Amino acid sequence: DAGVTQSPTHLIKTRGQQVTLRCSPISGHKSVSWYQQVLGQGPQFIFQYYEKEERGRGNFPDRFSARQFPNYSSELNVNALLLGDSALYLCASSLGAGRAIGNQPQHFGDGTRLSIL
Amino acid sequence: QKEVEQDPGPLSVPEGAIVSLNCTYSNSAFQYFMWYRQYSRKGPELLMYTYSSGNKEDGRFTAQVDKSSKYISLFIRDSQPSDSATYLCAMSTRTSYGKLTFGQGTILTVHP
Repeated sequence: DAGVTQSPTHLIKTRGQQVTLRCSPISGHKSVSWYQQVLGQGPQFIFQYYEKEERGRGNFPDRFSARQFPNYSSELNVNALLLGDSALYLCASSLGAGRAIGNQPQHFGDGTRLSIL
Repeated sequence: QKEVEQDPGPLSVPEGAIVSLNCTYSNSAFQYFMWYRQYSRKGPELLMYTYSSGNKEDGRFTAQVDKSSKYISLFIRDSQPSDSATYLCAMSTRTSYGKLTFGQGTILTVHP
């Protein structure tokens, strides 16, 4: 079975540009989360979407936005790129999350490595 | 103070050794505890997933959670060179809608 797939694998942008990262969850998973991992650190939570609605947002500026499509795939958009946005961007999927069903384990893709020049 | 603290290491052990990896946390609302393994240039791979306190064993891996001490551990028995990776602990609350809070990660090297 296919795992979480992310595209592109690598991306080089310059300051001020905009970028869109894509994620396809594991088949049957309805929840997608996005994380930023800076070299030498653990991943930091950016967003979670469940059933196409934003359910959680981390401490990131409004330059970061995301959406989830009817097929449960997701896009992360970052505007006005800064040098500090250089990182590995990870997408994770799970069956779901919330009070009714608890927090299901999250499975990660291999990420998109974003470099800002 | 970070919500989750993890010794970054690096940790270097001989093949066959028992490895102990640990995390402490400050948020008493954490109820779901995970350990992930991350190889270089790869995403985190889920190793263990536990709910609340107790022990869980899966092959050479044992996860322990002590909520009274706010302390979790991962033990690796008969360590192999293929276990060389970064190990990340992660946690979430019941109401966080799946938001994971990670430790910094511990770099482990198992040498033949």
